[in-house]
Amino acid sequence: GQNIDQPTEMTATEGAIVQINCTYQTSGFNGLFWYQQHAGEAPTFLSYNVLDGLEEKGRFSSFLSRSKGYSYLLLKELQMKDSASYLCAVPNDYKLSFGAGTTVTVRA
Amino acid sequence: SQTIHQWPATLVQPVGSPLSLECTVEGTSNPNLYWYRQAAGRGLQLLFYSIGIGQISSEVPQNLSASRPQDRQFILSSKKLLLSDSGFYLCAWSYKQVLYNSPLHFGNGTRLTVT
Repeated sequence: GQNIDQPTEMTATEGAIVQINCTYQTSGFNGLFWYQQHAGEAPTFLSYNVLDGLEEKGRFSSFLSRSKGYSYLLLKELQMKDSASYLCAVPNDYKLSFGAGTTVTVRA
Repeated sequence: SQTIHQWPATLVQPVGSPLSLECTVEGTSNPNLYWYRQAAGRGLQLLFYSIGIGQISSEVPQNLSASRPQDRQFILSSKKLLLSDSGFYLCAWSYKQVLYNSPLHFGNGTRLTVT
């Protein structure tokens, strides 16, 4: 099965950078997803990493180290609208297992 | 483009009453379909998934069931709700393949309160 760990909460200031870490243990690795979930809403897909390294998409970047079982999501130039829960998830065939999520609060 | 519809958006039901939540997908054929539940302040728990009509895989034994009567329709049911069934229920779809580089796309969810 999968074991996925993320910090529960993080707080940062508008305009700053925040890094959300995710560690995982899986029986076989087939990539890692990051999702964003605003309070009361459904999760939306942010990124997918399957190879080691950093992938950048605008203000959001995602990093993967397969040997360390580790990923992080980097949010730059934080905006108030970035206040949300961020979920990492790993697939296993047809199933996607999610971490408990990291709630990021952006303060003015 | 693909869209996923889930209803109702909110639901308040008494303990012991039945439940039926429906989800339909448009714009794609033969998708994988999923039901997740999210308890307040908790992570997403996979309840059921289906890779084809009439094919249902159950992840967590409980008083819920799922059915897929049509290719793009997924239904979550219960004969008798428990207080512990309260939560945010999310339907999702993905392309017909294993989930490597194929993200899930979620419906807007149903917030169920069992009283």
